[in-house]
Amino acid sequence: EIVLTQSPGTLSLSPGERATLSCRASQSVSSSYLAWYQQKPGQAPRLLIYGASSRATGIPDRFSGSGSGTDFTLTISRLEPEDFAVYYCQQYGSSPTFGQGTKVEIK
Amino acid sequence: QITLKESGPTLVKPTQTLTLTCTFSGFSLSTSGVGVGWIRQPPGKALEWLALIYWDDDKRYSPSLKSRLTITKDTSKNQVVLTMTNMDPVDTATYYCAHRLRGYTVFDLWGRGTLVTVSS
Repeated sequence: EIVLTQSPGTLSLSPGERATLSCRASQSVSSSYLAWYQQKPGQAPRLLIYGASSRATGIPDRFSGSGSGTDFTLTISRLEPEDFAVYYCQQYGSSPTFGQGTKVEIK
Repeated sequence: QITLKESGPTLVKPTQTLTLTCTFSGFSLSTSGVGVGWIRQPPGKALEWLALIYWDDDKRYSPSLKSRLTITKDTSKNQVVLTMTNMDPVDTATYYCAHRLRGYTVFDLWGRGTLVTVSS
């Protein structure tokens, strides 16, 4: 099983700032099969990024994904008030697994 | 418009079998490439993938839970059913069903989830 470790656990930022979230895999994720989700309290997750860097339908371009192998990054270029949430990475190169999440909170 | 909705018991006793139904609309599980998965989330914790069924009845399970899970589909009713045997309090979670993005094992549309509590 591929274990995904997300860092930091919590990111405290202000609206307008840049957010950089990390997801590290315990072994190489084949073909960059890495996705990112956003989850707000009481809601289901929302797919943001798949294939490491492809934005899902309707996702604003302030969200971008990058990386390959074992190191992946989600960047939010300028935080909007609605972006404060928990973010999960998921790999699907083998049996799917999720990271433990990064909470982006208002500073 | 694609929608998914989970249904089933909110409370089960330890050792019982849980049966959850995902009823969906806006797509057909007989269409090539389509899949529906189940994911759960214990209160305050991370997501955990459980199972996935494809249009051709191919099935995939979480290795750690494979012995306890069964996923089936009823194409005529637009439903996917997940059964989990030998429930334990650690299985207390919100259970989500979700539509698989065609060509990728990621989930682009989710139901609202149903909270299942395991307690005697």
